[in-house]
Amino acid sequence: DQQVKQNSPSLSVQEGRISILNCDYTNSMFDYFLWYKKYPAEGPTFLISISSIKDKNEDGRFTVFLNKSAKHLSLHIVPSQPGDSAVYFCAASATGGSEKLVFGKGTKLTVNP
Amino acid sequence: KAGVTQTPRYLIKTRGQQVTLSCSPISGHRSVSWYQQTPGQGLQFLFEYFSETQRNKGNFPGRFSGRQFSNSRSEMNVSTLELGDSALYLCASRTGLAGPITGELFFGEGSRLTVL
Repeated sequence: DQQVKQNSPSLSVQEGRISILNCDYTNSMFDYFLWYKKYPAEGPTFLISISSIKDKNEDGRFTVFLNKSAKHLSLHIVPSQPGDSAVYFCAASATGGSEKLVFGKGTKLTVNP
Repeated sequence: KAGVTQTPRYLIKTRGQQVTLSCSPISGHRSVSWYQQTPGQGLQFLFEYFSETQRNKGNFPGRFSGRQFSNSRSEMNVSTLELGDSALYLCASRTGLAGPITGELFFGEGSRLTVL
């Protein structure tokens, strides 16, 4: 049973435009959500996070939106740059649950110059 | 500050063999967790160690085991290797404070295991 789903395996965007990566979750106990970025041959690196008490968190070009009622979150990258080309993983954790991250399968973003 | 270091980076084994992977966390980090990344399943949690004790375990068979030493370094072992164990094994460290993981999970570059 996949608790965190990234339904788009890949996304292609033109440089300078907006990239929107989506993530859905099923476990209502999740209350903290994170996005990680992964380049080939490197480990994932933390990008941005959001607590369930918020519906938006912004950090430079990156904004994460959380819709708790829909159990949906999205990552917006504006403007997209070629260096943003990577695999993006959505992850979730639950306060009071086991302290692990549950990851989605990832979305490969390609930003074309 | 040195990052999370994993060795070896690449290895090839045959079915039935066993393998041991090593992870040195960031200095001062007491929690080490392991994840398996495969193309079809994404990243899946294997286990987490804190102060030499396994705190959490994922849904993997008993062939997958680990341990943590007093210096926080960790090893994971897979016995009786199967073809499906081919994956990137990622180690991550954090300070190990209680509570939800709020982003302070630092990953190593991983150990790429190929089982033939």
